[in-house]
Amino acid sequence: DIQMTQSPSSLSASVGDRVTITCRASQTISTYLNWYQQKPGKAPKLLIYAASSLQSGVPSRFSGSGSGTDFTLTISSLQPEDFTTYYCQQSYSTPLTFGGGTKVEIK
Amino acid sequence: VQLVESGGGVVQPGRSLRLSCAASGFTFSTFGMHWVRQAPGRGLEWVAVISYDGPNKYYADSVKGRFTISRDNSESTLDLQMNSLRPEDTAIYYCAKDFGEITHQHLFDYWGHGTLVTVSS
Repeated sequence: DIQMTQSPSSLSASVGDRVTITCRASQTISTYLNWYQQKPGKAPKLLIYAASSLQSGVPSRFSGSGSGTDFTLTISSLQPEDFTTYYCQQSYSTPLTFGGGTKVEIK
Repeated sequence: VQLVESGGGVVQPGRSLRLSCAASGFTFSTFGMHWVRQAPGRGLEWVAVISYDGPNKYYADSVKGRFTISRDNSESTLDLQMNSLRPEDTAIYYCAKDFGEITHQHLFDYWGHGTLVTVSS
């Protein structure tokens, strides 16, 4: 199984900050890496697919990069609605696996 | 796109439960479908996937042999039959639509609101 490791598990930031979350795969997954945002009590929402493609309707302040084993999600200027939890997920092979999540909190 | 899960509840260890997901707003018969779960306060865990036409199914090791995913394209419904339930199966269960039409992309572009399954004596 492919293990996905996210870091940090939590971070504190302020509105307007640039934030970067990393995700590392235990083996190469090319660009089969996706990012989701989950707000409390809600289902996850797809933000980025294929490592760097922005899902329709997602604000352009979100971006993704990486290939192979190392990936990043960047929020260029944090907005109040962005303070929540983010997950990466590999779609290279089954079983599909998620990272442990990164909680973005208000400083 | 709308996905509405039902069937959750409280069940004793070792018993069975069947979850359903009613889909609308897209051509259900041309997309693979998944179940993903989330234990209370924990992260996301993929459970199972079924191909758009039904014959191809894959499961997480944690549920293999106990859970069965199925679909009815005439009714646009997705099911998850859960047998031999364990306390560690306690979670919110989400149905999710695969991003890719016909060909699996193995990522999830639409999710239901989830249904809570609690396994406890």
